[in-house]
Amino acid sequence: GQSLEQPSEVTAVEGAIVQINCTYQTSGFYGLSWYQQHDGGAPTFLSYNGLDGLEETGRFSSFLSRSDSYGYLLLQELQMKDSASYFCAVWGDYKLSFGAGTTVTVRA
Amino acid sequence: EAQVTQNPRYLITVTGKKLTVTCSQNMNHEYMSWYRQDPGLGLRQIYYSMNVEVTDKGDVPEGYKVSRKEKRNFPLILESPSPNQTSLYFCASRGPGQRNQPQHFGDGTRLSIL
Repeated sequence: GQSLEQPSEVTAVEGAIVQINCTYQTSGFYGLSWYQQHDGGAPTFLSYNGLDGLEETGRFSSFLSRSDSYGYLLLQELQMKDSASYFCAVWGDYKLSFGAGTTVTVRA
Repeated sequence: EAQVTQNPRYLITVTGKKLTVTCSQNMNHEYMSWYRQDPGLGLRQIYYSMNVEVTDKGDVPEGYKVSRKEKRNFPLILESPSPNQTSLYFCASRGPGQRNQPQHFGDGTRLSIL
């Protein structure tokens, strides 16, 4: 099976840089993805880092350490609109397993 | 416009009354999947499909069925819904090939089973 752990909440000010950590356990690993979700809406893709490549979007970048089963998402130049939930997700075989999510609150 | 469309968006129903949540994508994607989201638990995969007539169980398949008769459609069927299936459901699709392709999610379906 797969399990992922990430912090439940992070608070930061506008313009800051935020790092969201994710540790995972998986029986088969292909890559770590990150998604953003606003208020129960559709999750949107932010980043993928894995055996078959690296994909990042906009101000979001990611880091992966396969040896440590650890990765993080870096949110740069925080904006108020970045207040949302962020999920790490692990691809194992053909299944995608998500963490419980990190709520990021951006303060002025 | 590339999209994943789920219907209905909201549904309140009663225990035991069969229901189907439809999912359709217009991107000719081969991979489609269903997730449920509950507070504090993130998204959990119910079923996925690699292609037409190829489906497999995710992490929480009990009480659900799916079918994939056409590439664009992947309906989720609750034969006998129960209150513990009250949740927010998302359908998603992904382009061919590698896992670095982002999954495109529908807007979600809020199901309440009374």
